[in-house]
Amino acid sequence: DTAVSQTPKYLVTQMGNDKSIKCEQNLGHDTMYWYKQDSKKFLKIMFSYNNKELIINETVPNRFSPKSPDKAHLNLHINSLELGDSAVYFCASSQSYTQYFGPGTRLTVL
Amino acid sequence: AQSVTQLGSHVSVSEGALVLLRCNYSSSVPPYLFWYVQYPNQGLQLLLKYTTGATLVKGINGFEAEFKKSETSFHLTKPSAHMSDAAEYFCAVILNFGNEKLTFGTGTRLTIIP
Repeated sequence: DTAVSQTPKYLVTQMGNDKSIKCEQNLGHDTMYWYKQDSKKFLKIMFSYNNKELIINETVPNRFSPKSPDKAHLNLHINSLELGDSAVYFCASSQSYTQYFGPGTRLTVL
Repeated sequence: AQSVTQLGSHVSVSEGALVLLRCNYSSSVPPYLFWYVQYPNQGLQLLLKYTTGATLVKGINGFEAEFKKSETSFHLTKPSAHMSDAAEYFCAVILNFGNEKLTFGTGTRLTIIP
């Protein structure tokens, strides 16, 4: 059983489109996160939710909107995609200060 | 200000040699400290962590790290490198225990020379 799963694994789209990435965890954790890893491998937190409530909202364009329908799911919707949004997006969940990461979604904007 | 600094973006060691990856943090309060490994085209896997207690922590795959408060360091070591250790390694800290925000270093790419 995959602890933190993300779909899709790869996403190729045109500039200006709207896309979503889904994340699910079966660990029973209350807190979930989205991270962005750029082309230089730098990892930066975007959002975190605790039991469906937004806890962390870093300086992210408002084209990015997280949605947590329940504590096991945290989806990321991106409007009006730009070239600079190309990156790998990781979902994670945590318990007792330890975060567990999903396999990542590689987004390529053409 | 950078909360966590990894010295050396690339480190190469021979197979069987000692692996030493450096991590320093900047905080007046001892943070929680983590090392993660990322293999090519994969997610991040937790190697080890320090929260409280014993300052020498052992992780998976033969890695260990020692928290040294006086040096504000949490260097990662492995006595004998294996080809399978080739990967990107990230040091990370939690400074804000309220929101558990994890801040990553810039990563160190470890290459193993046969």
